[in-house]
Order: sequence, then C-alpha cells, then structure tokens
Amino acid sequence: EADIYQTPRYLVIGTGKKITLECSQTMGHDKMYWYQQDPGMELHLIHYSYGVNSTEKGDLSSESTVSRIRTEHFPLTLESARPSHTSQYLCASSLSGGEQFFGPGTRLTVL
Amino acid sequence: DQQVKQNSPSLSVQEGRISILNCDYTNSMFDYFLWYKKYPAEGPTFLISISSIKDKNEDGRFTVFLNKSAKHLSLHIVPSQPGDSAVYFCAANTQTGANNLFFGTGTRLTVIP
Repeated sequence: EADIYQTPRYLVIGTGKKITLECSQTMGHDKMYWYQQDPGMELHLIHYSYGVNSTEKGDLSSESTVSRIRTEHFPLTLESARPSHTSQYLCASSLSGGEQFFGPGTRLTVL
Repeated sequence: DQQVKQNSPSLSVQEGRISILNCDYTNSMFDYFLWYKKYPAEGPTFLISISSIKDKNEDGRFTVFLNKSAKHLSLHIVPSQPGDSAVYFCAANTQTGANNLFFGTGTRLTVIP
C-alpha cells in the first residue's frame, strides 16, 4: 500500500496570497515529483527531485518553487497565487525509474 | 509536442464485455509503459506496466499489449465491471536518464450495468 500524503485536499484562496502545498511519503523513496493537471488534460510534470537537496524543473513551466530538505517531504510553494494557478496538483514518489505512487492531490482554486 | 497520445477521450462498454483502451507514443527511446486509473478528486493509481522487452503482460482482468513497431499499446479489461468506470492514463518513460513519466490525456471509461 502506497503511503503518500498531500494537504490540503482542497484550497480556495484570493489572488496574491502565498501558499504551500504539502507532500510527504513514508516509503523512503528517493525520487519525488509534482504534477499539474487540468480537467481532460494530461498530467504535466512541473518539478522533480532525485534526493535531498536536489530539485529540477519539469517539462511545464511553473511559477511555483519546491524544496527537498528531508527525504520524505517535498513541499510546493506559490509566492503570489493567481487565477491562472487554479488546477489540481499531484505529488508522486518512486524508488526506481518505473512505477510512481501518487498522493490524493490538492485541488487549488484562486479567486 | 505530446509524446504519449490517447486519441479516444471516452469509451462506454456494457458490463461483462471487453474494454479496450488505446495509446500511441512517438518517442522510440521509451522502454517502459504504464497504465494508471484515476477517480475524480483522487490521485492516479497504478494498474499495470510492461517493459519494451515484452509484448504482453497480464494481471487478472487486465492485460497490456505492446506493439513496438507501431509504437502502440493497449489495455484490455475483461470482463468489464461498473467499478472500472474511471479515467485511464497511459504513461511512458525511459529506464535510463531522467526516468520522468510522460502521460497521455486519458480516456474516460464508463461501464454500463
């Protein structure tokens, strides 16, 4: 059973607010990922990490930033949220290059 | 440019019949392919995968077929059950290098009781 957690599950905030989406996994996986998904669209990789102190930008340009200070924790931060950031954000982790385990996602709405 | 494509946004199947979901890819370097199932407001759940050294992998009611020459894979679900109704995503990556997954846009499967 995959143990990867995301909080909050739902978030509605006003424009200009700073937000942090939390992601934690208890599987000891080195690799962690953040995806953004809009309805009817594919999952777009926005950030990934291969281990502590390693972060890379993904295929989709994003104004968000991430950090990886601990193996189990991979938070995503938006310094100033805008309506264009409204989307579902999915966190995942993997041990090797194959199967990724996903968290339940955070649905963000910026008014 | 999208490297993994699912050209059917939706599929409806009668309960007990076979569901066939299709996926095409363009990157010949992909050597590992996965299918994920996603319910609304939840994260994707891994279903089944296949390595490029195989052309078929079976797990219970789910079978994935890979045709490397056509750069095509398909997921067969038989028999289909109402609980299979969800969005199915095809994904692919290379086992060396960055290992990042590339996803298709998904196919919404509805199994009619």
